[in-house]
Amino acid sequence: SQQGEEDPQALSIQEGENATMNCSYKTSINNLQWYRQNSGRGLVHLILIRSNEREKHSGRLRVTLDTSKKSSSLLITASRAADTASYFCAPSTGNQFYFGTGTSLTVIP
Amino acid sequence: GAVVSQHPSRVICKSGTSVKIECRSLDFQATTMFWYRQFPKQSLMLMATSNEGSKATYEQGVEKDKFLINHASLTLSTLTVTSAHPEDSSFYICSAPGGDEKLFFGSGTQLSVL
Repeated sequence: SQQGEEDPQALSIQEGENATMNCSYKTSINNLQWYRQNSGRGLVHLILIRSNEREKHSGRLRVTLDTSKKSSSLLITASRAADTASYFCAPSTGNQFYFGTGTSLTVIP
Repeated sequence: GAVVSQHPSRVICKSGTSVKIECRSLDFQATTMFWYRQFPKQSLMLMATSNEGSKATYEQGVEKDKFLINHASLTLSTLTVTSAHPEDSSFYICSAPGGDEKLFFGSGTQLSVL
């Protein structure tokens, strides 16, 4: 299926530390996107990386993509308490989006 | 960025009644909208793809007569949960593709069926 699977399911770190979460998928993709969800809210788009890109940065976010391994990682540097949320990856062929169970990140002040 | 407005944010209803959830794209046109269902601490399950001017495409296992979807205009899609039962209680979220292949999400609707 096109669904992404995030790992770990839960991650707890101290404020200021870096957080790394991973995503694996099974099909060919056009791009892979990462979204964030605060509890009880909709998802917010964070970053998109295309299949011909290997790394992308946006502020404190760094995303990598390895299409040969069908995997991606999201790194949040210098984490803040406000980064506490669930993070989902969405491998995309452009037509539909399937989300995994996400990584629940808790940043302890 | 593009904004998707979803209403209501929370609804409590009695078993057997129908509930309508609206999803509007405020500053862009959306020929396609996606409806998801989410259980606590679980993934978003794609229920159906709403297509403006044509029938919705339902995912396998989703009852089309139970979850009625209408996409009557380029800015509005509605999901009606018919004859709701307690097992339909869940968090429902809509989304629409905006520019640059990104999805923009509504804020979600928490449905509680008593």
